[in-house]
Amino acid sequence: DAKTTQPPSMDCAEGRAANLPCNHSTISGNEYVYWYRQIHSQGPQYIIHGLKNNETNEMASLIITEDRKSSTLILPHATLRDTAVYYCIVRVAPQTGTASKLTFGTGTRLQVTL
Amino acid sequence: DGGITQSPKYLFRKEGQNVTLSCEQNLNHDAMYWYRQDPGQGLRLIYYSQIVNDFQKGDIAEGYSVSREKKESFPLTVTSAQKNPTAFYLCASTTGGRNTIYFGEGSWLTVV
Repeated sequence: DAKTTQPPSMDCAEGRAANLPCNHSTISGNEYVYWYRQIHSQGPQYIIHGLKNNETNEMASLIITEDRKSSTLILPHATLRDTAVYYCIVRVAPQTGTASKLTFGTGTRLQVTL
Repeated sequence: DGGITQSPKYLFRKEGQNVTLSCEQNLNHDAMYWYRQDPGQGLRLIYYSQIVNDFQKGDIAEGYSVSREKKESFPLTVTSAQKNPTAFYLCASTTGGRNTIYFGEGSWLTVV
């Protein structure tokens, strides 16, 4: 799986959009980009994933550049409860019955402030 | 409800003792994973398994052992050979395809 690079920390004012970047310049054509977040050392929570098109769900939007070498997770209206560590990972979508080695980086610690 | 159950949530052990952390899933997932997390750090992969009776070492397998005798269970044993076992341990599972990865709530292990 490709390696990802994220800034170690970011701040965002409550109510504003939080834009979290991720670099994955060695991504392969069959690797998906996934975003997870972890709050207070709980189990990481799935946010969103995509292959090459931009994606949106009730939690966030994912913007993937045309060359797929980087992506941005957007939390449109950040709240204090969005304070967490956000992980960007890339993984191949394995065939049913197989496993890929899932590697997490150190993530971005997002602090949402009043 | 389907999900992943890790137990115990908190565990204290004396140095030199082996300890086994339980991970059970009722999601019918094929692949299961164990991660270790130290305070303020990211997740590091210990072991993973794609199918019953098969598993592979991750990045930090030394001092750990696993088994996969049943599809729904993937216990992790922290042996006395693990030099610094105090950490937060997370279990995860997923199916094939582009399905998401599900995590348990984690187990805190403290060795004194």
